Amino acid sequence: AQTVTQSQPEMSVQEAETVTLSCTYDTSENNYYLFWYKQPPSRQMILVIRQEAYKQQNATENRFSVNFQKAAKSFSLKISDSQLGDTAMYFCAFMRQETSGSRLTFGEGTQLTVNP
Amino acid sequence: GAVVSQHPSWVICKSGTSVKIECRSLDFQATTMFWYRQFPKQSLMLMATSNEGSKATYEQGVEKDKFLINHASLTLSTLTVTSAHPEDSSFYICSALPLDRTYEQYFGPGTRLTVT
Repeated sequence: AQTVTQSQPEMSVQEAETVTLSCTYDTSENNYYLFWYKQPPSRQMILVIRQEAYKQQNATENRFSVNFQKAAKSFSLKISDSQLGDTAMYFCAFMRQETSGSRLTFGEGTQLTVNP
Repeated sequence: GAVVSQHPSWVICKSGTSVKIECRSLDFQATTMFWYRQFPKQSLMLMATSNEGSKATYEQGVEKDKFLINHASLTLSTLTVTSAHPEDSSFYICSALPLDRTYEQYFGPGTRLTVT
């Protein structure tokens, strides 16, 4: 079974600063996907970024980027130029790569607060 | 695109009654939908995987007779909480997997259930 660990229950950052959220996972699979989801106070789950394990290049989406270290099974999220709207719970998630739909395994979450 | 709706968004019911929650994929078809439960400040816990036209697969510890899942079409899955008790009060979230993009789940906005 896969496990996902987020070791930072809470983090805070000043507006316009950069913050990095940590995530490690454990799997024996070689092909899989990794995700970061954001859950603001509305509780709507929003996809932030996706990484395919077979790709060596780290995924980026505007101010969001990841540091994917496959051998170390590490998948951290860097948020640059933090904005007040980035305040949310962030979940790291793992999905096996299958032809049919596969389940997501979530980490415990990191509550990020961006301070003005 | 890729919008998932849930209805109702908030429901209050009396102990012992049943309540049905609907999950619809509005602009895509999904053979697989997932049902999650989330307690405050905690991660999403997968309850069951719903496949169109077949029986749902429940996670260990989830009572299938209490949480009835029906996935009757490619755009609709329902979760019925039978004989609800106060401990069933929680936030229930569904997600749907598009037929042509099985690597990405799209989440509904969630349903807050309060059992009195």
